[in-house]
Amino acid sequence: DAMVIQNPRYQVTQFGKPVTLSCSQTLNHNVMYWYQQKSSQAPKLLFHYYDKDFNNEADTPDNFQSRRPNTSFCFLDIRSPGLGDAAMYLCATSRGDRGNEKLFFGSGTQLSVL
Amino acid sequence: AQSVSQHNHHVILSEAASLELGCNYSYGGTVNLFWYVQYPGQHLQLLLKYFSGDPLVKGIKGFEAEFIKSKFSFNLRKPSVQWSDTAEYFCAVDDYKLSFGAGTTVTVRA
Repeated sequence: DAMVIQNPRYQVTQFGKPVTLSCSQTLNHNVMYWYQQKSSQAPKLLFHYYDKDFNNEADTPDNFQSRRPNTSFCFLDIRSPGLGDAAMYLCATSRGDRGNEKLFFGSGTQLSVL
Repeated sequence: AQSVSQHNHHVILSEAASLELGCNYSYGGTVNLFWYVQYPGQHLQLLLKYFSGDPLVKGIKGFEAEFIKSKFSFNLRKPSVQWSDTAEYFCAVDDYKLSFGAGTTVTVRA
């Protein structure tokens, strides 16, 4: 059974048109992460939530926002997608125990920007 | 900030060959070390991890990794690969957040 679910698997949007990617989890984990992964590059952490506490990475563009309305769901909003935002977006969760940070990943959403 | 280097971008092997993937990190303090694997069309999943203790770590599917603190390395090994080991392998290091290497694509030919 899928534990971290990302929808949709593929998302196509237009240049400048807002888009939202969703992630849900059945693990009841405290922490939810959003990573951006471009082709042949390492996954790059955009931000994470520890419960309701939002933690933004210093180099994450303002164009990227996130919401976590409850424990199970987390959303990635891209306000004005540019061509450079085309990438795989990975959601991950963890219990939040320092020293035991196994991450569980979703299958990702592949975003294309036309 | 933590940086993670994976030495090989793409490795091609025949079945039964031995595999070793290099990983080096930049931080000199206490870190947690991971190898993640992504099989074609699947999500990233944990292969093995090192937090403390024995520097030789056993993981799933016959993989092991050795932590060498003096070399800031955490290399992944498998004595005899199978076709099903074809995947992308990511080394990751956790000091206050998880930082990934760029990944190594491993192709095993039958």
